[in-house]
Amino acid sequence: DAGVIQSPRHEVTEMGQEVTLRCKPISGHDYLFWYRQTMMRGLELLIYFNNNVPIDDSGMPEDRFSAKMPNASFSTLKIQPSEPRDSAVYFCASSTGTGHPGELFFGEGSRLTVL
Amino acid sequence: GQSLEQPSEVTAVEGAIVQINCTYQTSGFYGLSWYQQHDGGAPTFLSYNALDGLEETGRFSSFLSRSDSYGYLLLQELQMKDSASYFCAVLMNRDDKIIFGKGTRLHILP
Repeated sequence: DAGVIQSPRHEVTEMGQEVTLRCKPISGHDYLFWYRQTMMRGLELLIYFNNNVPIDDSGMPEDRFSAKMPNASFSTLKIQPSEPRDSAVYFCASSTGTGHPGELFFGEGSRLTVL
Repeated sequence: GQSLEQPSEVTAVEGAIVQINCTYQTSGFYGLSWYQQHDGGAPTFLSYNALDGLEETGRFSSFLSRSDSYGYLLLQELQMKDSASYFCAVLMNRDDKIIFGKGTRLHILP
């Protein structure tokens, strides 16, 4: 069974450009999470969805960030306009929500560099 | 606010035992998880404790004391491949909201 799939794996862009990160969760998982990882702030929860509906977006840093989940097999995280301080590794994760509490399955991450 | 505190770095010798502590202060608590992350890789799930006590999974064990808001990960018979970062994480609600500590980097000496 395929794991969580993220794309792109690496993205280098210039300040002011739009960035779109994509995620395909594990089939059958009801929850999808977006995390951002930096040395300074660690793993921060940005937003998560249950059955395609956003449950908690309190971690989204500002209006430049938006996330969507149009169906059970696809989600996007968009940054517009991007800034150098957005440079980080962005992880998508999914979970079943029941039966396996506390267990998230992470994708390999998208490493974003904003120049 | 929410806080999970764990040491930033720990060093141990191959074959030895090491304990990584975690204290938490969160608005909700259902259980404590531990994750491992190798450099350049993704976090991977190790264990989950919902009740007080020790859970053992092979060389790794995890402990929780809810009354002390404290847990630890115990790694035995350390191997070089255990060199990684280890994160404690709190399951905050029934909706699987999980927040992470900043991680402990484990260095293993031969």
